[in-house]
Amino acid sequence: NAGVTQTPKFRVLKTGQSMTLLCAQDMNHEYMYWYRQDPGMGLRLIHYSVGEGTTAKGEVPDGYNVSRLKKQNFLLGLESAAPSQTSVYFCASSFDAAYPMNTEAFFGQGTRLTVV
Amino acid sequence: GENVEQHPSTLSVQEGDSAVIKCTYSDSASNYFPWYKQELGKRPQLIIDIRSNVGEKKDQRIAVTLNKTAKHFSLHITETQPEDSAVYFCAAIKPESNYQLIWGAGTKLIIKP
Repeated sequence: NAGVTQTPKFRVLKTGQSMTLLCAQDMNHEYMYWYRQDPGMGLRLIHYSVGEGTTAKGEVPDGYNVSRLKKQNFLLGLESAAPSQTSVYFCASSFDAAYPMNTEAFFGQGTRLTVV
Repeated sequence: GENVEQHPSTLSVQEGDSAVIKCTYSDSASNYFPWYKQELGKRPQLIIDIRSNVGEKKDQRIAVTLNKTAKHFSLHITETQPEDSAVYFCAAIKPESNYQLIWGAGTKLIIKP
């Protein structure tokens, strides 16, 4: 059982380049989230999804897009990277409808992105 | 909407002493309150949680207490050890939005030898 897996783990981008971060979960979770965590800071929600084919904006969505074409995958895209997007990105998932009382969120190992 | 405030932002305690981190929430409808621990360079992981129908929950050296009237909940760590050094996050969930955790800003706990 792999849980939540993010790829890549590290990436360096030049300003203006684009990239996609992939999050995959094998726990049949309905909900998936993308967060960013800046040094010494907390978790800020970028976008989230409550089910396959759905997405919604979080606290800091500007400059990012997401897609949830398959239940197990949640993609985060940066169309034109900026230095302000240098951060650690965490994906998380939660809520299996078969076990509605279990609301624990499981996190991926993080992606360290540097934009120069 | 829900807002969660967490204090202190940094807490330094002597090894063996107790540590207490407090969170307050704004929406009385919130009914689930987890605590996550994030070690340096690692992902956040759930360490304990409490639901609104319970006042206290313990798991070995850690405990969480909930005061629904005052809308605050606290994490208690007793007999602190070096491996307790980490950032701790509290969160709250409302029943009509099971998918969205509202996070506190985090507390950096430093255990002094």
